[in-house]
Amino acid sequence: DTAVSQTPKYLVTQMGNDKSIKCEQNLGHDTMYWYKQDSKKFLKIMFSYNNKELIINETVPNRFSPKSPDKAHLNLHINSLELGDSAVYFCASSQEGQRTQYFGPGTRLTVL
Amino acid sequence: GDSVTQMEGPVTLSEEAFLTINCTYTATGYPSLFWYVQYPGEGLQLLLKATKADDKGSNKGFEATYRKETTSFHLEKGSVQVSDSAVYFCALYSGNTPLVFGKGTRLSVIA
Repeated sequence: DTAVSQTPKYLVTQMGNDKSIKCEQNLGHDTMYWYKQDSKKFLKIMFSYNNKELIINETVPNRFSPKSPDKAHLNLHINSLELGDSAVYFCASSQEGQRTQYFGPGTRLTVL
Repeated sequence: GDSVTQMEGPVTLSEEAFLTINCTYTATGYPSLFWYVQYPGEGLQLLLKATKADDKGSNKGFEATYRKETTSFHLEKGSVQVSDSAVYFCALYSGNTPLVFGKGTRLSVIA
């Protein structure tokens, strides 16, 4: 009965590859997010997305693209992976109009 | 823009010691304030929150009071345990801005 789940938990890949991270929430929320946590534990929003609007953080390279097949899922696709993309990526969700966000367990991406 | 400043870590305490982790914020409007905790190898868990001035959030013995006059939301616990060892993040949500996090404070509690 996990509320926000992510797969995979660990992802190790070579530079230049394309990879995806999946996120699913069963809370009935309609807003989902992706955050990046760097090696110093600093967390920063990458995207927020609901049925109506994708809000792109301008500091995120366009190699990163979120895709939402439905309200319960928000996947993160990353093209042409670079060493600097190594981080932990967290998915989160909230009910539209509510400020409390619930986080998934994170995906640790390592680019070699 | 909105920002959150937390005290630098790491913080090392003995079991049963009193804990304070300072957090101050800068925001437009009336933000909601949060403390999240990240245990080793795990994701972020909501610890407590406060949505308006003078509200006190509390959970698992932790407390924080939303102080608008000092723009602060300090986290306190009267008696820490080894199991409280984790990274603690202060965060705010203001208007339509998704969560803005502080840099996190690592707490280590030794027996």
